[in-house]
Amino acid sequence: NAGVTQTPKFRILKIGQSMTLQCAQDMNHNYMYWYRQDPGMGLKLIYYSVGAGITDKGEVPNGYNVSRSTTEDFPLRLELAAPSQTSVYFCASSYGGPRVNSPLHFGNGTRLTVT
Amino acid sequence: EDQVTQSPEALRLQEGESSSLNCSYTVSGLRGLFWYRQDPGKGPEFLFTLYSAGEEKEKERLKATLTKKESFLHITAPKPEDSATYLCAVHPYNTDKLIFGTGTRLQVFP
Repeated sequence: NAGVTQTPKFRILKIGQSMTLQCAQDMNHNYMYWYRQDPGMGLKLIYYSVGAGITDKGEVPNGYNVSRSTTEDFPLRLELAAPSQTSVYFCASSYGGPRVNSPLHFGNGTRLTVT
Repeated sequence: EDQVTQSPEALRLQEGESSSLNCSYTVSGLRGLFWYRQDPGKGPEFLFTLYSAGEEKEKERLKATLTKKESFLHITAPKPEDSATYLCAVHPYNTDKLIFGTGTRLQVFP
């Protein structure tokens, strides 16, 4: 099992450009999440999904969009990139949902710089 | 407001020097508390889940404990390979979302 795979590892965007961060998991997990991690801050939830076709907003969804057409994939779309979106983005998955305290399995992140 | 505070922000230990990391939390009700380890350039890796006060879990040189207000991650006789950032996260009853602390960056030198 590869676990959670994120691509690309690094990306530099100009202000106003758009891009999609890819995330795939091969563990047949229903739950998938996108977090961002900024220096000195805890991980913040952007969006999450409880299964194919179902997504919901987290704490900091503005400027982002997601879709979940399959169990395996959960891409994160940035439209009109802004410097405030410079961050490290982590995708995670879990077998069960939060109510059963399933641990999260994280990918290795995408480091995004917007200039 | 639900909050998680980790201390210290950074900790330098000599190999073999035992110590503890603290995770203090304020939540209306605790569904679970998680510890993760994060290596530079990597995603967090799950270590432990604790559910109720008095609970303890161990893994190699690590032991996690939980009270009604805080959790400790005790590191016994650490080795350089234990160097990492350790993250604490809580799951309050009133939400389906985790609240992460900012982490403790641990360096263990020979």
